[in-house]
Amino acid sequence: GAVVSQHPSWVICKSGTSVKIECRSLDFQATTMFWYRQFPKQSLMLMATSNEGSKATYEQGVEKDKFLINHASLTLSTLTVTSAHPEDSSFYICSAPYTDTQYFGPGTRLTVL
Amino acid sequence: GENVEQHPSTLSVQEGDSAVIKCTYSDSASNYFPWYKQELGKRPQLIIDIRSNVGEKKDQRIAVTLNKTAKHFSLHITETQPEDSAVYFCAASIRVGSYIPTFGRGTSLIVHP
Repeated sequence: GAVVSQHPSWVICKSGTSVKIECRSLDFQATTMFWYRQFPKQSLMLMATSNEGSKATYEQGVEKDKFLINHASLTLSTLTVTSAHPEDSSFYICSAPYTDTQYFGPGTRLTVL
Repeated sequence: GENVEQHPSTLSVQEGDSAVIKCTYSDSASNYFPWYKQELGKRPQLIIDIRSNVGEKKDQRIAVTLNKTAKHFSLHITETQPEDSAVYFCAASIRVGSYIPTFGRGTSLIVHP
């Protein structure tokens, strides 16, 4: 099956700093990738759709200037959380579609102190 | 947009019993219904899916049924085992270019040995 990797798996940062999370499709190309946020014991909340070679599409309520998304190649999308605050602490998961199925990355646990 | 309701939020069963999780969707155009299993701190993994041209699909101890008229679909797990304990998410999506699934809120399944 298709494999999606994510890096880092966890990160702790100070309030006010920026954090970059990478999402890679390892054995297939993905013109579109998706970024989700998941709070403890809650469902996956779609944040944005990352489009290779064009601007990302953000869901309502998600600040595009705070969550910068870059999809520079067919196998890599990055999410940068800028000026992070404790309320940004969460589990961030990316996914990429292969045929009709979404394949998820292992997730990144972000803790902002 | 699509709205997916999932019930129950928590399900506790004894090992060997069956477990049933139900979902309803709102958009009659949805045509693809995957189910994901997510263990604590890990990525969601696709366990089974069904398309709108099929009423039932089975894979060993797992089965999914779809009622297009009523717009609901269900996950059935028979002979449950402790390792089945996890959070299960249903999703519904429309295949329009790169499809975006709408997830249910999740069901926490606990299988007691």
